[in-house]
Amino acid sequence: EAQVTQNPRYLITVTGKKLTVTCSQNMNHEYMSWYRQDPGLGLRQIYYSMNVEVTDKGDVPEGYKVSRKEKRNFPLILESPSPNQTSLYFCASSPPDNSPLHFGNGTRLTVT
Amino acid sequence: QKEVEQNSGPLSVPEGAIASLNCTYSDRGSQSFFWYRQYSGKSPELIMSIYSNGDKEDGRFTAQLNKASQYVSLLIRDSQPSDSATYLCAVKFASGGSYIPTFGRGTSLIVHP
Repeated sequence: EAQVTQNPRYLITVTGKKLTVTCSQNMNHEYMSWYRQDPGLGLRQIYYSMNVEVTDKGDVPEGYKVSRKEKRNFPLILESPSPNQTSLYFCASSPPDNSPLHFGNGTRLTVT
Repeated sequence: QKEVEQNSGPLSVPEGAIASLNCTYSDRGSQSFFWYRQYSGKSPELIMSIYSNGDKEDGRFTAQLNKASQYVSLLIRDSQPSDSATYLCAVKFASGGSYIPTFGRGTSLIVHP
């Protein structure tokens, strides 16, 4: 089954404790992206990647890191999480053409 | 800056009515347009894609695209309470040989019995 898999689905952590949210897709898509979603603010892009070893900042990259060492994986890293990073996170992928984005199931992150 | 604008709503319609959701975009070179439905706390689900001017129908959903006016809409006929959700408009614009998606903030739809 073609899918984008995010893990974990839920995560509660404390300020300053490094964490990684994984994202993997099995559709051989070049483009991958991370979004955060907060009430009233819609989907805001954190980082995106056009292909392996090619990443770019989105609209809200501060406090986040990404890497794209393999085509299928695009992990999101929070080196020192803060409470303002409490949010719902989505990973998405697509081919580099006009095709639509495919979304993962989301990760609900709470930082206390 | 590529922008996609939607009225945040909520748009409230009675069961059985037609719901009309609208979206405007800033980049005239945009090539592809999508509507996603998102239930609270869930991931966006693709419901319609449209690439050329005119109407595209799929069941109770009709997407309408007018590139000259930079306007795309979604009509939901015979609205049901289960259609209550946030609807996201997404536009892909060309950038360096690839296509980058931009999302609107979404319109909240409430269908009341």
